[in-house]
Parts: sequence; C-alpha cells; structure tokens
Amino acid sequence: DSGVTQTPKHLITATGQRVTLRCSPRSGDLSVYWYQQSLDQGLQFLIQYYNGEERAKGNILERFSAQQFPDLHSELNLSSLELGDSALYFCASSLTWAGNTEAFFGQGTRLTVV
Amino acid sequence: QKEVEQDPGPLSVPEGAIVSLNCTYSNSAFQYFMWYRQYSRKGPELLMYTYSSGNKEDGRFTAQVDKSSKYISLFIRDSQPSDSATYLCAMSAMAGGGADGLTFGKGTHLIIQP
Repeated sequence: DSGVTQTPKHLITATGQRVTLRCSPRSGDLSVYWYQQSLDQGLQFLIQYYNGEERAKGNILERFSAQQFPDLHSELNLSSLELGDSALYFCASSLTWAGNTEAFFGQGTRLTVV
Repeated sequence: QKEVEQDPGPLSVPEGAIVSLNCTYSNSAFQYFMWYRQYSRKGPELLMYTYSSGNKEDGRFTAQVDKSSKYISLFIRDSQPSDSATYLCAMSAMAGGGADGLTFGKGTHLIIQP
C-alpha cells in the first residue's frame, strides 16, 4: 500500500457528462500529480499541485481541471466527457515540489465513458 | 518518433533466469531515470531511481543508464514468478518536474514461468 488513496476505484458514465476524481496524498506529502494511462498513449502527465498551488501542467485538456485543497487532497474534474477519455487516472504524491522522481502512486480510478 | 521507446512484449522467461528490460529515448535533456513495476489493476510502484549515467544495484535489480547511447536497462537476477508484471521506464529532465512531469515508456509485460 503506497499510502495514496484514490476514489472511486471505478466509474462508468455517459458521454457529455462531468465527473470528479479524488485523491488523498500520503501523510506529509505536499505535492500531488495526476496521470492518465490509456492503452495507446501509456502513462501521460496531466498536472501537478504543490501545497495548494498549480506547479506544472502537462498534456491536460481544457475540459479537464484540477485543484488541491487546504487539507492537501486533490480533485480532478473531467467535463464534456468523450469516449476517448476512458482510461485509468492515477494520482501520485511526493514530499517536495521536486519529488516527481520519487513519487508514490495510488491504485487509480478506472473511468469508462459509454 | 516517440520520446521513449519500450518493447511491449510479452517477454516470457523461465524462473531463475536473468531478465533484461530496455528503453531508448530521444531527449538528451533527460537526466533522471526510473523503473516502475505495475501489477495488473494496480498503480505503478517505484523500483529503481538513477541520476545521470552509471549503474545502480538494489538486491536482485540492477539499473544501467548509458546517456551517450540514450539507452537504459533494468536487469532482474534470479527471476521469480512474483516478478511477473508490467515494467515501465520513466524519465525526467528535472528533479523539479516542470511542464514535463515524468515521461513514461508504454511498458514491457514480463511473464516468469514457474
């Protein structure tokens, strides 16, 4: 168990809908990273937050947004969902803003858009 | 050409064999190199982390980085059925993340036959 908790584990929703994925980082970790894993693209970095502030942005679509709250948990919001958004979404956390090389991953949320 | 290339496998070897897993990359800015193990329906788990060129050993695992050839390897000695998983290489130009986060290979599916 990495100590990173993601909910829900599975999510099935229809095209055009909006969903929210939640991540609780390891105790004491200040940085949260979101990744998307699909069969054709592999693991892709979406966005990083550090202590409540956006730190880095990768290949995140404009339909997607994230935030990190004062208690350090993070939420990834996906809107206007398309079939191609079906994927595993992982959250990772690390102690520092520079810790993406030693981040611990959660178990992921499997999103299916039908 | 993708930034990180990794043979998807599957790679099937008998128990006790030495396993060699490899990735090639094109971005000469990469300095931080990682290997993750991912079991089915689980999040990636960090196995090895190497900075710049050279070798690093941890138990049955050895990571090698050859920056001149843009080639990294993970060796697993005395392979066990429990090593059966997907192995992902990952790289980063900065410890601080930045806009790139981690760049992952698509993973090699490894099967250790009892």
